[in-house]
Amino acid sequence: LAKTTQPISMDSYEGQEVNITCSHNNIATNDYITWYQQFPSQGPRFIIQGYKTKVTNEVASLFIPADRKSSTLSLPRVSLSDTAVYYCLVGENDMRFGAGTRLTVKP
Amino acid sequence: NAGVTQTPKFRVLKTGQSMTLLCAQDMNHEYMYWYRQDPGMGLRLIHYSVGEGTTAKGEVPDGYNVSRLKKQNFLLGLESAAPSQTSVYFCASSRTAPSSYNSPLHFGNGTRLTVT
Repeated sequence: LAKTTQPISMDSYEGQEVNITCSHNNIATNDYITWYQQFPSQGPRFIIQGYKTKVTNEVASLFIPADRKSSTLSLPRVSLSDTAVYYCLVGENDMRFGAGTRLTVKP
Repeated sequence: NAGVTQTPKFRVLKTGQSMTLLCAQDMNHEYMYWYRQDPGMGLRLIHYSVGEGTTAKGEVPDGYNVSRLKKQNFLLGLESAAPSQTSVYFCASSRTAPSSYNSPLHFGNGTRLTVT
C-alpha cells in the first residue's frame, strides 16, 4: 500500500513561490503522482499529474526526481485565493488522501 | 454533463436510524469512491468500486455498506447510525484507476450528515 508523507502546514505571502514536497518511498512502477487542492466545504479538485521529470500547466509545476520517491508541487506567485489544503496521491485502486498540507497565504 | 451528483446535500439522523446516500456520475467512469471528512481532517476512504457489481473496503469501512448495481451509481448505506458517523461524505469517480494517466478523481459537492 503506497503511503505519502507531506508537511502538515505551510505559510506564505502573496506573490511568493510555494513548494510543497511529498514523499512516496514505495511508489509502484506504473503509478502516476497526482495532486489535488481542496477549499473549505468543497470536494478536492485535480491540479496536476506527472510520472517523471517536470510537468507544467497553467496552475502549477510538478517536479519528480529520477528515483520517483518524492515529488514537489510548485505554485508560482501565490495569491490569497491559493489558501487551501493540498494532497498528493499515489497508489493503485485504494486511493487514500492522508492529512494533506494546509497552505495559508498571507497579505 | 452534471459530473458527480450527491443526494441529499444535508441530513440529520437520530442514533439507530438508517439511511442511504446516493452518488451518481454521468461520465461513464469505471471507478467510484466514498470518503468521509471530519472537521479539520483529511479524507478517509470508506469503500470503493472498480466497476459495476464490484465493491471493496477502504480504511474505515465499519458501520457502512455499499452497492454498485449500476455503473453510474454508487450507494452508501448506514444501517444503524451513530454519532461518530457525523461527518461530511464525499463521493468521487474516475475513468479508470486514479493512478493512471489522465484519470483523476472527480468529486461531488458532499453530503453533510449529523447524527444526534
